[in-house]
Amino acid sequence: AQKVTQAQTEISVVEKEDVTLDCVYETRDTTYYLFWYKQPPSGELVFLIRRNSFDEQNEISGRYSWNFQKSTSSFNFTITASQVVDSAVYFCALSENSISNFGNEKLTFGTGTRLTIIP
Amino acid sequence: NAGVTQTPKFQVLKTGQSMTLQCAQDMNHEYMSWYRQDPGMGLRLIHYSVGAGITDQGEVPNGYNVSRSTTEDFPLRLLSAAPSQTSVYFCASSFSEQGKGYEQYFGPGTRLTVT
Repeated sequence: AQKVTQAQTEISVVEKEDVTLDCVYETRDTTYYLFWYKQPPSGELVFLIRRNSFDEQNEISGRYSWNFQKSTSSFNFTITASQVVDSAVYFCALSENSISNFGNEKLTFGTGTRLTIIP
Repeated sequence: NAGVTQTPKFQVLKTGQSMTLQCAQDMNHEYMSWYRQDPGMGLRLIHYSVGAGITDQGEVPNGYNVSRSTTEDFPLRLLSAAPSQTSVYFCASSFSEQGKGYEQYFGPGTRLTVT
């Protein structure tokens, strides 16, 4: 069975500091997809990134960057120069691509990391 | 383009009552799903559908029913509400194509309290 672990329950950093959110996953499939979602205090879920298991290139989007390492089954998320608006709960999620799975329905979420940016 | 909409936003039920949480999307997505979010547990999949007329169970299906008569709508029914079903419920939709893990678009959520 697939599993996603976000060991950091809560993190607090002072504004402008860099912060890394950890995500470790378990899966038996060779083809799978990894996601990060943001849940701000307003409660909605905002999609941040999708990565397939064959693409290990790191990705940068503005102040956000993601480090995918298959060797350690990790997909970590770094926010550079954090801002108060980054305060939210962040979820990492995994979707397997088994024969019976169209790639979407078996989405497994981690328990989330609550990030607080202190002004 | 409204995306994924859910109604109601808030609901209080008494134990044993039934109700339907509504979910609709206007993006012509084939795949739709329901999750519940509980403190410290992340989101857990309740039921999902890969197209009209096709539904299947997720991780925590007990106490919930679904049907998919149209591409746009995917209602979640609680037949006899229990306090353990107090949660925030999210509906999501995405494209569905084997071999492609498309991201899911989530509705704003329904906060349900069962007393």
